[in-house]
Amino acid sequence: GENVEQHPSTLSVQEGDSAVIKCTYSDSASNYFPWYKQELGKRPQLIIDIRSNVGEKKDQRIAVTLNKTAKHFSLHITETQPEDSAVYFCAARGYGSSNTGKLIFGQGTTLQVKP
Amino acid sequence: SQTIHQWPATLVQPVGSPLSLECTVEGTSNPNLYWYRQAAGRGLQLLFYSVGIGQISSEVPQNLSASRPQDRQFILSSKKLLLSDSGFYLCAWRRTAGTEAFFGQGTRLTVV
Repeated sequence: GENVEQHPSTLSVQEGDSAVIKCTYSDSASNYFPWYKQELGKRPQLIIDIRSNVGEKKDQRIAVTLNKTAKHFSLHITETQPEDSAVYFCAARGYGSSNTGKLIFGQGTTLQVKP
Repeated sequence: SQTIHQWPATLVQPVGSPLSLECTVEGTSNPNLYWYRQAAGRGLQLLFYSVGIGQISSEVPQNLSASRPQDRQFILSSKKLLLSDSGFYLCAWRRTAGTEAFFGQGTRLTVV
């Protein structure tokens, strides 16, 4: 089955610096890779996603890159702000007869942005 | 618009007692439904997912079970809770041909 590994587990940056979170997945048939942000005590919410037919996607200060050959994808946050502090999860969606619909998450990265 | 309801928000149950958490989705049909568990400071562990009524896929061996008696209703159950069942349980849905998954508010379960 699909397995998603996420690193680092914690990340502390100074306000204004960039933050990068990396994930690898095991199932080469996976075709959709979302990133979720979870603030303390709240539900995870989608911040950006990328499909397998695209190598990079950007939305203001957030960007995601995908390397299908290496089976890894990354979240990049530029000009970090204190309100970016949260837990971030990557995920991969399965594709194919036994995995269609399955959405597997990484272990999460706790990002702390210091003012 | 679509909404997802999950209840209760918090629950304290003694070891050995039964469990029933309910999740319903409004405004869509034939959604993919998911149950995740998040232990304190940990990631989102997929417990069950369903692509249709009566179709349940179990991801990890445990003393929990799931059922989908109606198209937009997903229930997580246990006959006898263990201390290790404590955690934050999240229900989520996704359109069959869609991408983004939407999460419910979550249920914080404490087994004492």
